[in-house]
Amino acid sequence: GENVGLHLPTLSVQEGDNSIINCAYSNSASDYFIWYKQESGKGPQFIIDIRSNMDKRQGQRVTVLLNKTVKHLSLQIAATQPGDSAVYFCAENMDGGNKLTFGTGTQLKVEL
Amino acid sequence: DTAVSQTPKYLVTQMGNDKSIKCEQNLGHDTMYWYKQDSKKFLKIMFSYNNKELIINETVPNRFSPKSPDKAHLNLHINSLELGDSAVYFCASSQRTGDSPLHFGNGTRLTVT
Repeated sequence: GENVGLHLPTLSVQEGDNSIINCAYSNSASDYFIWYKQESGKGPQFIIDIRSNMDKRQGQRVTVLLNKTVKHLSLQIAATQPGDSAVYFCAENMDGGNKLTFGTGTQLKVEL
Repeated sequence: DTAVSQTPKYLVTQMGNDKSIKCEQNLGHDTMYWYKQDSKKFLKIMFSYNNKELIINETVPNRFSPKSPDKAHLNLHINSLELGDSAVYFCASSQRTGDSPLHFGNGTRLTVT
């Protein structure tokens, strides 16, 4: 099957609970960060972004936190729903350049 | 309406063949990309074009040749396909380079046998 040999970090949460997905980024000069959601058989879908001059940004049911001191990014999903089950990627714009570099992804599983 | 569309969705071919994947975006974006996603879900940039000009080429074998006839289209041609080329290839576009979100297509799953 598609996931044979796949060993993504997995986060399992109960429906209705809050989810926190973490990401350690690599470059202290990165100034733009994005979270993406990828459902099976689809392309990554933009969730929320944040620039380095901010440490928190909120969207609908989602919050991104940026800690530049420890180069850490997190995505919080409130009241997690079955439709939130997917692989989540963080991405950073390294060196303020022209490309986004993606992290390894976290599988979020929502249990009913 | 599909913002970034790529065809075909599935492509199965034999080693040594040449194949193309097409991509079109109707978002009016200036920048387009090709990313490769391997079996471990790792996404890696291959190419980026801005207004039909190549701006990123990430040490991809020269068997891979992108072509951008206009800023709404970025096609990927692959010569002499190898087993290791099997992956999902994603096209994406963005309004600007580096500080605006990428909008992805739904991918082309390439299987080389």
